[in-house]
Formats: sequence, C-alpha cells, structure tokens
Amino acid sequence: DVKVTQSSRYLVKRTGEKVFLECVQDMDHENMFWYRQDPGLGLRLIYFSYDVKMKEKGDIPEGYSVSREKKERFSLILESASTNQTSMYLCASSLPSPGANTGELFFGEGSRLTVL
Amino acid sequence: AQKVTQAQTEISVVEKEDVTLDCVYETRDTTYYLFWYKQPPSGELVFLIRRNSFDEQNEISGRYSWNFQKSTSSFNFTITASQVVDSAVYFCALSEPTGNQFYFGTGTSLTVIP
Repeated sequence: DVKVTQSSRYLVKRTGEKVFLECVQDMDHENMFWYRQDPGLGLRLIYFSYDVKMKEKGDIPEGYSVSREKKERFSLILESASTNQTSMYLCASSLPSPGANTGELFFGEGSRLTVL
Repeated sequence: AQKVTQAQTEISVVEKEDVTLDCVYETRDTTYYLFWYKQPPSGELVFLIRRNSFDEQNEISGRYSWNFQKSTSSFNFTITASQVVDSAVYFCALSEPTGNQFYFGTGTSLTVIP
C-alpha cells in the first residue's frame, strides 16, 4: 500500500523553538509538497520540491524552509516558531506530469502543530 | 490567475438525501486538471477523482457523480443517498499542466445527520 508518512501527528512547541516536520514517501515520487491547512483558508502551499535538492517557494514560504536530501524525504523547518504558525501541516507527493498519472496527490495524515 | 472557489462552507443533510457540492474555477490555461479530495475526521486527504480539461464527460462512481462544465467553469460533485460515512470536508482543486502547482478551494464541510 502506497504511503506518505509524517513523523509526528501532534506537536507542542514554544515560541522561538526550531521545529522539524519530517515526511517520507515510499512511492518513488519526484514531487513533494508541504501545505498548511487553516479553517476557512483551505490548503495553502508553503514549498514544493520536484527533485532531490530542488525546492520552489509556494504561496506562503515566509518563516519556513525545507530540505530534500533524499528523494523519499522532504522536511519542513520552522527556524523560530511563532504562534501564528499554529496550524495543521500536510505533506503530499506525486508523480511528475505529463502522463496518465498526472496530478494525483497522495497525502500524509497531517501534523498538528501548536506553538505556545 | 488560478483560483478555485467553493462557496458552500458547511452543509448539513439528513441521511439518504442527495447533496451537491459546488466548485467553480478560474484558469488561463487551456490544459488543466480538476480534482476532488475527501478529508474525513482522521485528517488524511483521500483522492476521489481527476478530470482533464479535454474530457467533459460526466462520471459516476457508485453514489458519487461529477458534473464538469467548461462553459460555466464548474466541476460539481453530487452524493446520492448520503450516508453518515460521507461526513467529511471535501476539497476541489485545480492543477496546471506541469503538475507542480495545485490550487485548492477552501473546502466544504459536509455533515450527514442520521
């Protein structure tokens, strides 16, 4: 069964702490994504990566960075967590397009981060 | 600019009623892909359907059906004879041709009351 695994379902951190959110996929997908989900705002793209060591900013990259040292792993880093980063974080992966597999995103279960 | 609008924030229906979730999109691309995802209370978004812009044929899968109309830029989702297990947040999404960018609507929270 294909899988996207996020390392932590729930985290509580303090303001100013450095936070690592890890995501691993076992489908050999080239594309990986980090989204943030907030009530009334839907899913907003933070960063995505289409290859190892490659990254592209999404719509809301401020306050975040990412790392993709291996194809299967995509990490989201909050250098200095702030209370407005309290949110649900979703990792996803997909095959590149064009092709019959174009577009389908596979999601992890999410990481709910609370920053106090 | 690419945009997906789900005007219905929350919908409640009684079990066995039919319900339609609306999705309207904007794009400048002639080739694009449209999706519906379901997010149950457990949190993981589950893929339901993908449609490419050249295929306006409606699709039915069990109790689910989708109506794609390019003329109105809409991709609506109907659940027939709703069940409690259909309670979830449903997201409509648009992907541009490279598949590197997805644009999600704000979601519609569906509650099916037994």
